[in-house]
Amino acid sequence: KQEVTQIPAALSVPEGENLVLNCSFTDSAIYNLQWFRQDPGKGLTSLLLIQSSQREQTSGRLNASLDKSSGRSTLYIAASQPGDSATYLCAVSYYGQNFVFGPGTRLSVLP
Amino acid sequence: NAGVTQTPKFRVLKTGQSMTLLCAQDMNHEYMYWYRQDPGMGLRLIHYSVGEGTTAKGEVPDGYNVSRLKKQNFLLGLESAAPSQTSVYFCASSRIGTASSGANVLTFGAGSRLTVL
Repeated sequence: KQEVTQIPAALSVPEGENLVLNCSFTDSAIYNLQWFRQDPGKGLTSLLLIQSSQREQTSGRLNASLDKSSGRSTLYIAASQPGDSATYLCAVSYYGQNFVFGPGTRLSVLP
Repeated sequence: NAGVTQTPKFRVLKTGQSMTLLCAQDMNHEYMYWYRQDPGMGLRLIHYSVGEGTTAKGEVPDGYNVSRLKKQNFLLGLESAAPSQTSVYFCASSRIGTASSGANVLTFGAGSRLTVL
């Protein structure tokens, strides 16, 4: 069974810190990997999508890397802000259509 | 630009009742999905569609039916609701194409919270 795990489950950091969220997947034959943000009671917002042929993607203060051979992806958030507080989910696609989601990391950035 | 719209946002049902959740997208996306999100379980795929008139089963399809008669709409039906179907349901859509064009990026609706008593 294709599974996606995320570590840590929760993280609390002071404002301004750089932080890393981790995502692992059991089957490395992925098509792409996507990182999402979910605010409480809201839907998911796509942050970054990495194709299987890519090593990383960047958007503003966010940088996502992909290592297919080890089955891992990391989301790096630079200079964290209280507005970054949310749950971050990664999702892996194996056929370009369906995504398998991880359980998420709940991030709190303290002012 | 509405994106993905789900109706209703909240619903309470009694065991055995039926209902339909509606998902509408105005982005001309080919792919549409229904997920459920439960505490400790993450998001799980119920059914999906790769185009008008097509549907396929996901990870947890039992107790649900879907239809996609129009490209912009994807309906999720519960024929006989059970307490185990209490959840938050999310619809999502994406389009086919090249990575550089932004294809495969999932766009989600705001969710529909269903409680079955």
